[in-house]
Amino acid sequence: EAEVAQSPRYKITEKSQAVAFWCDPISGHATLYWYRQILGQGPELLVQFQDESVVDDSQLPKDRFSAERLKGVDSTLKIQPAELGDSAMYLCASTLAGGAEQFFGPGTRLTVL
Amino acid sequence: AQSVTQLDSQVPVFEEAPVELRCNYSSSVSVYLFWYVQYPNQGLQLLLKYLSGSTLVKGINGFEAEFNKSQTSFHLRKPSVHISDTAEYFCAVSDSTLYGNKLVFGAGTILRVKS
Repeated sequence: EAEVAQSPRYKITEKSQAVAFWCDPISGHATLYWYRQILGQGPELLVQFQDESVVDDSQLPKDRFSAERLKGVDSTLKIQPAELGDSAMYLCASTLAGGAEQFFGPGTRLTVL
Repeated sequence: AQSVTQLDSQVPVFEEAPVELRCNYSSSVSVYLFWYVQYPNQGLQLLLKYLSGSTLVKGINGFEAEFNKSQTSFHLRKPSVHISDTAEYFCAVSDSTLYGNKLVFGAGTILRVKS
């Protein structure tokens, strides 16, 4: 069964350092999402891609976060510099273009010290 | 914009007892509704979804949910829970945009099944 892949699964970093997360969606899924889930809360959308284009980044803190999906397949989310408040689970999801059901990866648990 | 309210942050229940996890959403227009389950340090797994049709939706692991448009609710139920059902459950509603569907999640309900 096809799955969304994410790496690393866990990341510990010190504040002011740069971190990057990688996501490989299910093959053929044109739409890719990055969510942030703070402990005790539900996931919140950070950025949505349609193929290689960003279509919604209204909740992305653009002073320190960036996201790219250069070839319209896999994607990278970067934080520079990391802050203590960035400690969270970062989830990637994908869906067929216009699809309703999103398929989630296992997530990357970030701890900023 | 859509919003989702999960009315209980934690639900303790004994094994083999029935359980209901409550979810209300904000919009009365046509929506897609979902329940996801999350085990510690894992991603989200889809339990069930309502897209259209029958208001009673059956999902995996014996869970079901009922879509009630007039009450804007989508409560999750299971007639008999197991220890393995201990997890956090998230209700989500789709928010249609020009480019597809963005999910808006509730804050989650932790289900604790006790022996």
